[in-house]
Amino acid sequence: QSVLMQPPSVSGAPGQKVTVSCAGSSSNIGSVYDVHWYQQLPGKAPKLLIYGNNDRPSGVPERFSGSKSGTSASLAITGLQAEDEADYYCQSYDVRLDTWVFGGGTKLIVL
Amino acid sequence: EVQLLESGGGFVQPGGSLRLSCAASGFSFSNYAVTWVRQAPGKGLEWVTAITTGGTTYYAASVRGRFTISRDNSQNTVYLQMNSLRAEDTAVYYCGREFLVGVTPGLDYWGHGTLVTVSS
Repeated sequence: QSVLMQPPSVSGAPGQKVTVSCAGSSSNIGSVYDVHWYQQLPGKAPKLLIYGNNDRPSGVPERFSGSKSGTSASLAITGLQAEDEADYYCQSYDVRLDTWVFGGGTKLIVL
Repeated sequence: EVQLLESGGGFVQPGGSLRLSCAASGFSFSNYAVTWVRQAPGKGLEWVTAITTGGTTYYAASVRGRFTISRDNSQNTVYLQMNSLRAEDTAVYYCGREFLVGVTPGLDYWGHGTLVTVSS
């Protein structure tokens, strides 16, 4: 059971928008800690996608955006493309556990 | 170009030991903390351990007392000594360069990973 809760899968057709949720608590996302998102393409290492809740590293398309509100965060992907099919993980820090925490991951299926 | 290259993975029996290496290049290695994250087959990501620029170490409860992280800045390399290995340690182990946003750490560059299999 992951500390940060994500839906196991989401799906959408090419060109559509999908959202991946990440539910935490007052000891992690709801505290002073930000959320980072990683994309893991099949058979590859994770890659930083969003940092500090809503910033994109250089090279990440504007189609990817993040937000945080209260004890939850979300990743939105607009203009869905086949190459976006991957696993997405949220990550933060938990002050009560005193450790990094990851979501269980969400598999994005492009129909 | 920032690169991290893990090595040292393999097959080991329960109770055995392995030492993983993470060789870094393309950045000022001594100025960055380094973290290990693992991923069991078909599972999600799990933070394992980290070492700061000053050599302070942190461990997940699941590996504390069995794993030891260290760094050699002269070789731009971080090591993960894994002792008393268990079947549940079977995973791909990734090393990553750590960054900080406010007080929240993350990994901005990841290696390709090295597979550790613990089985009799």
